[in-house]
Amino acid sequence: DQQVKQNSPSLSVQEGRISILNCDYTNSMFDYFLWYKKYPAEGPTFLISISSIKDKNEDGRFTVFLNKSAKHLSLHIVPSQPGDSAVYFCAASQGGSEKLVFGKGTKLTVNP
Amino acid sequence: EPEVTQTPSHQVTQMGQEVILRCVPISNHLYFYWYRQILGQKVEFLVSFYNNEISEKSEIFDDQFSVERPDGSNFTLKIRSTKLEDSAMYFCATQVNRASYEQYFGPGTRLTVT
Repeated sequence: DQQVKQNSPSLSVQEGRISILNCDYTNSMFDYFLWYKKYPAEGPTFLISISSIKDKNEDGRFTVFLNKSAKHLSLHIVPSQPGDSAVYFCAASQGGSEKLVFGKGTKLTVNP
Repeated sequence: EPEVTQTPSHQVTQMGQEVILRCVPISNHLYFYWYRQILGQKVEFLVSFYNNEISEKSEIFDDQFSVERPDGSNFTLKIRSTKLEDSAMYFCATQVNRASYEQYFGPGTRLTVT
């Protein structure tokens, strides 16, 4: 049951460049999407979210894009910093349900 | 900035023993959750709790699991008779209200069942 998929287990980018993390989903009933960052031995930290009525949401260096027809979202980090190195999880929720459905995560490494 | 806290950070127990994992939610949050992450796998939803009752639970959350908020502050997850496959990181999460979808996670409790 992989309703939320993050097909890239890892991504490596240079400091200052753009990081693009991708997420696909299969459940068309999902109406809210979130990105979390997780460092080792810590809990997931909320980063940014987007409602299905929007196609873009921006917060500082972080922008999330949603393509509903493709059931695809992406997180852009510009410029990337070494402190951004972490595992990034995409999560989705469905109206009427409170639970979050997570992807497997993508490990981002930003090299100085 | 308010945080979700969890205790203990690591719990080792023998198979068949009962464990209680504790969480202190952010004070004005009304919705509470438990998730778990088995090593190398996804974060999985276990249960949601609102207004002193379970509002949703997953297939994982069987009769061996229970949750309660005994004193209006702590939110606990009890596993009555632990199994080896219960070994995982257990995360508590809280949400301010139904209109805000963002859930805020605690640092987790690593449960090791031997």
